[in-house]
Amino acid sequence: GESVGLHLPTLSVQEGDNSIINCAYSNSASDYFIWYKQESGKGPQFIIDIRSNMDKRQGQRVTVLLNKTVKHLSLQIAATQPGDSAVYFCAENPQLTGGGNKLTFGTGTQLKVEL
Amino acid sequence: EAQVTQNPRYLITVTGKKLTVTCSQNMNHEYMSWYRQDPGLGLRQIYYSMNVEVTDKGDVPEGYKVSRKEKRNFPLILESPSPNQTSLYFCASSLFGSNTEAFFGQGTRLTVV
Repeated sequence: GESVGLHLPTLSVQEGDNSIINCAYSNSASDYFIWYKQESGKGPQFIIDIRSNMDKRQGQRVTVLLNKTVKHLSLQIAATQPGDSAVYFCAENPQLTGGGNKLTFGTGTQLKVEL
Repeated sequence: EAQVTQNPRYLITVTGKKLTVTCSQNMNHEYMSWYRQDPGLGLRQIYYSMNVEVTDKGDVPEGYKVSRKEKRNFPLILESPSPNQTSLYFCASSLFGSNTEAFFGQGTRLTVV
């Protein structure tokens, strides 16, 4: 498979446990945030997003938390499964309206699920 | 099936030989973009396009060109590839802008020797 990061931070969790992946963003003007999952040999896949007027958003087994005060974003995965093993990226977009702006990605975290 | 299709998936070329990586989406998305992915650096945006005939530079545009003559296609052109452009490239599209969900292609592994 593809090697997307030789020195990625790695999070190892036991199957069935909850996972928390953290991300610090840089731009205080960012008002839209996204989490992507990238499996080996594939392109990034959208997981969940959140806008800056919210501090929490839930999806199926995933929750994103946004703390604008400290510019921190986290992704929580409940009951982690082997299929969750992947690299997870957060991304930020500085402007909400107008579109077409740059999307800035973090360097990613490797999640390893141990059986 | 909604998808973003890139071609080729793998390419080995020599320095200075012009090449084009194609990208096509079937979702009628307005916004398309190109990224390169390198170890330890994550995904970095090369160019993006808000609509037909509207393109703009991303964070790392040097050595690349793009065009958007049709809504569905957004080719990436390397006029004179160099070894530092060896990378994994992804095309993505989204409905309106980078503040909406992006769909990524499968990637193109480019090696310039």
